[in-house]
Amino acid sequence: SQQGEEDPQALSIQEGENATMNCSYKTSINNLQWYRQNSGRGLVHLILIRSNEREKHSGRLRVTLDTSKKSSSLLITASRAADTASYFCATDGRTSGSRLTFGEGTQLTVNP
Amino acid sequence: ETGVTQSPTHLIKTRGQQVTLRCSSQSGHNTVSWYQQALGQGPQFIFQYYREEENGRGNFPPRFSGLQFPNYSSELNVNALELDDSALYLCASSPEPTLAVRQFFGPGTRLTVL
Repeated sequence: SQQGEEDPQALSIQEGENATMNCSYKTSINNLQWYRQNSGRGLVHLILIRSNEREKHSGRLRVTLDTSKKSSSLLITASRAADTASYFCATDGRTSGSRLTFGEGTQLTVNP
Repeated sequence: ETGVTQSPTHLIKTRGQQVTLRCSSQSGHNTVSWYQQALGQGPQFIFQYYREEENGRGNFPPRFSGLQFPNYSSELNVNALELDDSALYLCASSPEPTLAVRQFFGPGTRLTVL
């Protein structure tokens, strides 16, 4: 079963708006990562946040982690049409060994 | 773009056949993981190889097998193909087996089983 669940499943916004995607997970984690995937291609790593961190920034990306609620959010500010993609959170649980467990993703569409 | 390459890009097979997918890891990386991604789903972990040894396996049957070579490139073999094996197969390399570092994904191999 999927560890992470993204919300919403699909999001459509206008260029320049902010996009927020949420991820919930079930078991304790060591780290949580966010990836982007353009139309059936490979995954591109966006950001990694460790379980002892609460917030991280990278360019227009802001990720938060709330381990008490077992949830994370990804905020993309001032979105661009090129941000159109699927976004996945992935966790490595403390009992999951060598595997990353992915959610089912949020499909983001940014309209020009 | 990462330095991870996969071949072939696309592949069409029929039920019951066997397939081999290949992955070249990024320079300096000794760990390769394989994932299966069905259409509209997130990737599912198949297994990981570290220094030529299997280092963890997901819930996939034994007909999914792998190899890692001394240069750390890797193969995924699937025997007795089934229709449900149709998916995008992704490999990811990393400099060590820990998941505390980012994974570098290849572009994937799209397998269609008819």
